[in-house]
Amino acid sequence: QSALTQPASVSGSPGQSITISCTGTSSDVGNKNYVSWFQQHPGKAPKLIIYDVTNRPSGVSDRFSGSRSGNTASLTISGLQTEDEADYSCSSYTSSSTWVFGGGTKLTVL
Amino acid sequence: QLQLQESGPGLVKPSETLSLTCSVSGVSISSSGYYWGWIRQPPGKGLEWIGSIYYSGSTHYNPSLNSRVTISVDTSKNQFSLNLSSVTAADTAVYYCGAAAEYWGQGTLVTVSS
Repeated sequence: QSALTQPASVSGSPGQSITISCTGTSSDVGNKNYVSWFQQHPGKAPKLIIYDVTNRPSGVSDRFSGSRSGNTASLTISGLQTEDEADYSCSSYTSSSTWVFGGGTKLTVL
Repeated sequence: QLQLQESGPGLVKPSETLSLTCSVSGVSISSSGYYWGWIRQPPGKGLEWIGSIYYSGSTHYNPSLNSRVTISVDTSKNQFSLNLSSVTAADTAVYYCGAAAEYWGQGTLVTVSS
Protein backbone atom coordinates (compact mmCIF):
# COMPACT_ATOMS: atom_id res chain seq x y z
CA GLN A 1 0.00 0.00 0.00
CA SER A 2 1.24 3.50 -0.76
CA ALA A 3 1.34 6.31 1.76
CA LEU A 4 -1.24 9.05 1.40
CA THR A 5 0.10 12.27 -0.13
CA GLN A 6 0.33 15.44 1.96
CA PRO A 7 2.22 18.69 1.36
CA ALA A 8 5.48 18.76 3.29
CA SER A 9 4.75 22.14 4.80
CA VAL A 10 2.16 24.89 5.06
CA SER A 11 2.24 28.22 6.85
CA GLY A 12 -0.11 30.95 7.96
CA SER A 13 -0.40 33.96 10.21
CA PRO A 14 -2.31 34.10 13.48
CA GLY A 15 -6.02 34.51 12.84
CA GLN A 16 -5.86 33.16 9.31
CA SER A 17 -7.22 29.85 8.02
CA ILE A 18 -5.19 27.11 6.38
CA THR A 19 -6.07 23.85 4.67
CA ILE A 20 -3.97 20.70 4.49
CA SER A 21 -4.77 18.15 1.79
CA CYS A 22 -4.45 14.38 1.96
CA THR A 23 -4.70 12.51 -1.34
CA GLY A 24 -5.26 8.80 -1.58
CA THR A 25 -7.08 6.46 -3.91
CA SER A 26 -10.48 4.90 -4.42
CA SER A 27 -9.28 2.04 -2.21
CA ASP A 28 -8.83 4.21 0.85
CA VAL A 29 -9.70 7.92 1.19
CA GLY A 30 -12.23 7.87 -1.62
CA ASN A 31 -14.11 4.80 -0.52
CA LYS A 32 -13.92 4.61 3.27
CA ASN A 33 -15.51 6.92 5.81
CA TYR A 34 -12.61 6.32 8.16
CA VAL A 35 -10.26 9.21 7.52
CA SER A 36 -8.54 10.61 10.60
CA TRP A 37 -6.27 13.54 11.30
CA PHE A 38 -3.60 13.75 14.00
CA GLN A 39 -1.76 16.68 15.51
CA GLN A 40 1.74 16.04 16.85
CA HIS A 41 3.96 18.45 18.73
CA PRO A 42 7.70 17.72 18.87
CA GLY A 43 8.52 14.82 21.16
CA LYS A 44 4.87 14.13 21.88
CA ALA A 45 2.45 11.36 20.98
CA PRO A 46 -0.03 12.01 18.17
CA LYS A 47 -3.37 13.49 19.17
CA LEU A 48 -6.54 12.60 17.29
CA ILE A 49 -8.30 15.77 16.13
CA ILE A 50 -10.64 14.48 13.40
CA TYR A 51 -12.13 11.02 12.87
CA ASP A 52 -14.53 9.52 10.35
CA VAL A 53 -13.72 12.35 7.90
CA THR A 54 -15.57 15.15 9.69
CA ASN A 55 -16.01 14.34 13.38
CA ARG A 56 -14.16 15.92 16.29
CA PRO A 57 -13.40 14.02 19.51
CA SER A 58 -14.64 15.59 22.70
CA GLY A 59 -12.43 18.47 23.79
CA VAL A 60 -11.03 19.30 20.35
CA SER A 61 -11.54 22.90 19.30
CA ASP A 62 -14.17 23.60 16.66
CA ARG A 63 -11.49 25.57 14.81
CA PHE A 64 -10.49 22.20 13.38
CA SER A 65 -12.70 20.76 10.64
CA GLY A 66 -12.43 17.93 8.15
CA SER A 67 -13.91 17.33 4.73
CA ARG A 68 -13.47 15.15 1.66
CA SER A 69 -13.90 15.47 -2.07
CA GLY A 70 -13.28 12.37 -4.15
CA ASN A 71 -9.96 10.81 -3.20
CA THR A 72 -8.75 13.88 -1.31
CA ALA A 73 -9.46 14.66 2.32
CA SER A 74 -8.75 18.04 3.84
CA LEU A 75 -8.11 19.49 7.27
CA THR A 76 -8.95 23.15 7.79
CA ILE A 77 -7.76 25.12 10.79
CA SER A 78 -9.47 28.46 11.22
CA GLY A 79 -8.39 31.32 13.45
CA LEU A 80 -4.79 30.08 13.55
CA GLN A 81 -3.10 30.26 16.94
CA THR A 82 0.58 29.92 17.77
CA GLU A 83 -0.10 26.68 19.61
CA ASP A 84 -1.39 25.15 16.38
CA GLU A 85 2.19 25.00 15.11
CA ALA A 86 2.81 21.26 14.87
CA ASP A 87 2.97 18.33 12.47
CA TYR A 88 -0.33 17.08 11.06
CA SER A 89 -0.87 13.61 9.63
CA CYS A 90 -3.84 12.00 7.96
CA SER A 91 -4.72 8.33 7.94
CA SER A 92 -7.31 6.18 6.24
CA TYR A 93 -8.74 2.72 6.56
CA THR A 94 -8.36 0.75 3.35
CA SER A 95 -10.29 -1.83 1.40
CA SER A 96 -7.69 -4.38 2.51
CA SER A 97 -8.65 -3.84 6.18
CA THR A 98 -5.39 -2.04 6.84
CA TRP A 99 -4.57 1.54 7.74
CA VAL A 100 -2.29 3.92 5.88
CA PHE A 101 -0.81 7.25 6.94
CA GLY A 102 0.19 10.32 5.03
CA GLY A 103 3.76 11.56 5.16
CA GLY A 104 2.86 14.42 7.48
CA THR A 105 2.67 18.21 7.05
CA LYS A 106 4.59 20.72 9.13
CA LEU A 107 2.46 23.76 9.98
CA THR A 108 4.32 26.95 10.73
CA VAL A 109 2.45 29.85 12.31
CA LEU A 110 4.31 32.97 11.25
CA GLN B 1 -9.78 7.37 31.78
CA LEU B 2 -8.15 4.97 29.36
CA GLN B 3 -4.36 5.05 29.59
CA LEU B 4 -1.64 3.10 27.81
CA GLN B 5 2.03 2.60 28.61
CA GLU B 6 4.64 0.97 26.40
CA SER B 7 7.49 -1.05 27.88
CA GLY B 8 10.39 -3.06 26.50
CA PRO B 9 14.09 -2.90 25.59
CA GLY B 10 15.36 0.34 24.16
CA LEU B 11 18.17 -1.40 22.28
CA VAL B 12 17.86 -4.46 20.04
CA LYS B 13 20.58 -6.13 17.99
CA PRO B 14 20.21 -6.58 14.22
CA SER B 15 18.51 -9.84 13.19
CA GLU B 16 16.94 -10.24 16.64
CA THR B 17 13.28 -9.83 17.64
CA LEU B 18 11.89 -6.56 18.96
CA SER B 19 9.33 -7.18 21.70
CA LEU B 20 7.19 -4.48 23.27
CA THR B 21 4.27 -4.61 25.67
CA CYS B 22 1.45 -2.12 26.10
CA SER B 23 -0.22 -2.01 29.51
CA VAL B 24 -3.81 -0.81 29.45
CA SER B 25 -5.61 0.81 32.38
CA GLY B 26 -9.08 2.27 32.73
CA VAL B 27 -10.83 -0.29 30.53
CA SER B 28 -10.82 -4.04 30.03
CA ILE B 29 -8.81 -5.05 26.99
CA SER B 30 -11.61 -7.51 26.24
CA SER B 31 -14.15 -4.71 25.86
CA SER B 32 -15.99 -4.66 22.59
CA GLY B 33 -15.82 -1.53 20.56
CA TYR B 34 -12.10 -1.09 20.96
CA TYR B 35 -9.27 -2.11 18.75
CA TRP B 36 -5.66 -2.04 19.83
CA GLY B 37 -2.71 -1.23 17.65
CA TRP B 38 0.86 -0.19 17.12
CA ILE B 39 2.35 2.59 15.04
CA ARG B 40 5.92 3.80 14.77
CA GLN B 41 7.84 6.88 13.76
CA PRO B 42 11.47 6.71 12.57
CA PRO B 43 13.56 9.72 13.64
CA GLY B 44 12.58 12.76 11.61
CA LYS B 45 10.01 10.85 9.56
CA GLY B 46 6.26 10.33 9.43
CA LEU B 47 3.97 7.88 11.19
CA GLU B 48 3.71 4.29 9.99
CA TRP B 49 0.92 1.88 10.89
CA ILE B 50 2.25 -1.49 12.04
CA GLY B 51 -0.88 -3.46 12.83
CA SER B 52 -4.05 -3.83 14.88
CA ILE B 53 -5.87 -6.47 16.88
CA TYR B 54 -9.60 -6.36 17.44
CA TYR B 55 -11.65 -7.50 20.44
CA SER B 56 -12.71 -10.48 18.32
CA GLY B 57 -9.07 -11.53 18.17
CA SER B 58 -8.61 -10.84 14.48
CA THR B 59 -5.39 -9.17 13.44
CA HIS B 60 -4.36 -7.04 10.49
CA TYR B 61 -0.82 -6.03 9.65
CA ASN B 62 0.98 -3.59 7.38
CA PRO B 63 1.72 -5.60 4.21
CA SER B 64 5.29 -4.29 4.17
CA LEU B 65 5.89 -5.83 7.63
CA ASN B 66 3.42 -8.70 7.51
CA SER B 67 5.88 -11.57 7.50
CA ARG B 68 7.75 -10.18 10.54
CA VAL B 69 4.95 -8.89 12.77
CA THR B 70 2.82 -10.50 15.45
CA ILE B 71 0.39 -8.67 17.74
CA SER B 72 -1.24 -10.55 20.59
CA VAL B 73 -3.37 -9.88 23.64
CA ASP B 74 -2.96 -11.11 27.22
CA THR B 75 -6.36 -10.59 28.85
CA SER B 76 -5.12 -11.81 32.24
CA LYS B 77 -2.66 -8.91 32.40
CA ASN B 78 -4.77 -6.40 30.43
CA GLN B 79 -1.88 -6.01 28.00
CA PHE B 80 -1.16 -6.43 24.33
CA SER B 81 2.19 -7.02 22.71
CA LEU B 82 4.19 -6.46 19.55
CA ASN B 83 6.83 -8.80 18.20
CA LEU B 84 8.86 -7.72 15.16
CA SER B 85 11.41 -10.26 13.99
CA SER B 86 14.64 -9.97 11.99
CA VAL B 87 15.06 -6.29 12.74
CA THR B 88 17.46 -3.99 10.94
CA ALA B 89 18.52 -0.39 11.45
CA ALA B 90 15.48 0.64 9.42
CA ASP B 91 13.29 -0.51 12.32
CA THR B 92 14.78 2.13 14.62
CA ALA B 93 11.84 4.29 15.65
CA VAL B 94 9.60 5.56 18.42
CA TYR B 95 6.92 2.92 18.87
CA TYR B 96 3.45 3.92 20.09
CA CYS B 97 0.63 1.70 21.24
CA GLY B 98 -2.90 2.94 20.85
CA ALA B 99 -6.58 2.25 21.35
CA ALA B 100 -9.12 3.05 18.65
CA ALA B 101 -6.71 5.71 17.35
CA GLU B 102 -7.93 8.09 20.07
CA TYR B 103 -5.73 7.04 22.98
CA TRP B 104 -1.98 6.69 22.73
CA GLY B 105 0.91 5.81 24.96
CA GLN B 106 3.78 8.23 25.36
CA GLY B 107 5.93 6.21 22.98
CA THR B 108 9.18 4.35 23.45
CA LEU B 109 12.34 4.71 21.38
CA VAL B 110 13.77 1.45 20.11
CA THR B 111 17.20 1.55 18.53
CA VAL B 112 18.49 -1.34 16.43
CA SER B 113 22.25 -1.49 16.69
CA SER B 114 24.98 -3.96 17.50
